[in-house]
Amino acid sequence: NAGVTQTPKFQVLKTGQSMTLQCAQDMNHEYMSWYRQDPGMGLRLIHYSVGAGITDQGEVPNGYNVSRSTTEDFPLRLLSAAPSQTSVYFCASSYSIQRGYNEQFFGPGTRLTVL
Amino acid sequence: TQLLEQSPQFLSIQEGENLTVYCNSSSVFSSLQWYRQEPGEGPVLLVTVVTGGEVKKLKRLTFQFGDARKDSSLHITAAQPGDTGLYLCAPSDRGSTLGRLYFGRGTQLTVWP
Repeated sequence: NAGVTQTPKFQVLKTGQSMTLQCAQDMNHEYMSWYRQDPGMGLRLIHYSVGAGITDQGEVPNGYNVSRSTTEDFPLRLLSAAPSQTSVYFCASSYSIQRGYNEQFFGPGTRLTVL
Repeated sequence: TQLLEQSPQFLSIQEGENLTVYCNSSSVFSSLQWYRQEPGEGPVLLVTVVTGGEVKKLKRLTFQFGDARKDSSLHITAAQPGDTGLYLCAPSDRGSTLGRLYFGRGTQLTVWP
């Protein structure tokens, strides 16, 4: 199993550009999520999905869109990049949340710089 | 919004020393996880604790969940350079949206040879 994969590893954008961060998992996990990690801020949840066709907002959703057309893929779209979106982005997945707790497997991250 | 505090924020010690890091909140949680993140990589799950007062051991690491399920600690015995990393606690609130995790800001541990 490859686990959780993310592409690209690094990206530089200009203000106003759009792009999609890719995330895929091969563990047949139902739950997938996107976080951003900034110095001193820990991990903050952007969007999450409990299954194909179902998505919802996390703590910091503004400026980002997601979709979940398949169990495996959960892309994150930046609509119009801003310098405040410079961050490290992590995708994570987990088994069903039916047990009441949510052990997550993280990808290696995408380091995004917006100029 | 859950108020979650991890302390200390930074810890720099010599190989062989013992240390404890803390994760505290005013809220009650159904479970709590500890993750370790190494530079340039994503966090990796170390342990999940579910029951108040629970103690789990992972080699030289001892994790404890508070009796009231509001806090947790991680104790490392005889730290080694390989223990260097960012330690994140992540409580889960079963009553919140789908049991989502709340991450603390972490404790950055550096162990010098």
